[in-house]
Amino acid sequence: GQQVMQIPQYQHVQEGEDFTTYCNSSTTLSNIQWYKQRPGGHPVFLIQLVKSGEVKKQKRLTFQFGEAKKNSSLHITATQTTDVGTYFCAGRDNQGGKLIFGQGTELSVKP
Amino acid sequence: EPEVTQTPSHQVTQMGQEVILRCVPISNHLYFYWYRQILGQKVEFLVSFYNNEISEKSEIFDDQFSVERPDGSNFTLKIRSTKLEDSAMYFCASKWGDRDTGELFFGEGSRLTVL
Repeated sequence: GQQVMQIPQYQHVQEGEDFTTYCNSSTTLSNIQWYKQRPGGHPVFLIQLVKSGEVKKQKRLTFQFGEAKKNSSLHITATQTTDVGTYFCAGRDNQGGKLIFGQGTELSVKP
Repeated sequence: EPEVTQTPSHQVTQMGQEVILRCVPISNHLYFYWYRQILGQKVEFLVSFYNNEISEKSEIFDDQFSVERPDGSNFTLKIRSTKLEDSAMYFCASKWGDRDTGELFFGEGSRLTVL
């Protein structure tokens, strides 16, 4: 079945450093979404990417969808302590509507 | 702002007991989901529900699990005979629009502890 892999599992950065998490799918995706989960919280939607090669920005966050629609990345510039949490990618393949989550990357930011 | 609400926030039960987790999705949403998250692990898809029937389910969602939308507002997940490995946070989610796109709105979750 469809698998979504995400690396790294953990990332510890100093405040002000950049952060990137990478997501790879075993199948071609129809779209990919990114969610953020704060410690003790629930996943909160960040963005959806649909088109091959798409790049979207939200302030310090940059999201990319690969040309083959099998991989994606989230890059945070100049991290802040408010960025702390686990970032999940979640992909839908072309076969169905269910959203499959990656393992998540837990980001900690040292002030 | 409309939100998905879940009850209870925490349930402790004995192995073999039945558990019902309740969710009230956002009112104009059409698609409903249950996901679970074992502590510190990823969010795992259990089941999706549309037009009063299951549209997709995962291997985790075996005969011990069932979902129901008994009225126009509630969406429930029942576990018939809980096992220790069912201990997890269970998230309900909903969305509007078409099946293959659009963000999921998650509830705060129901933590299930099976002793």
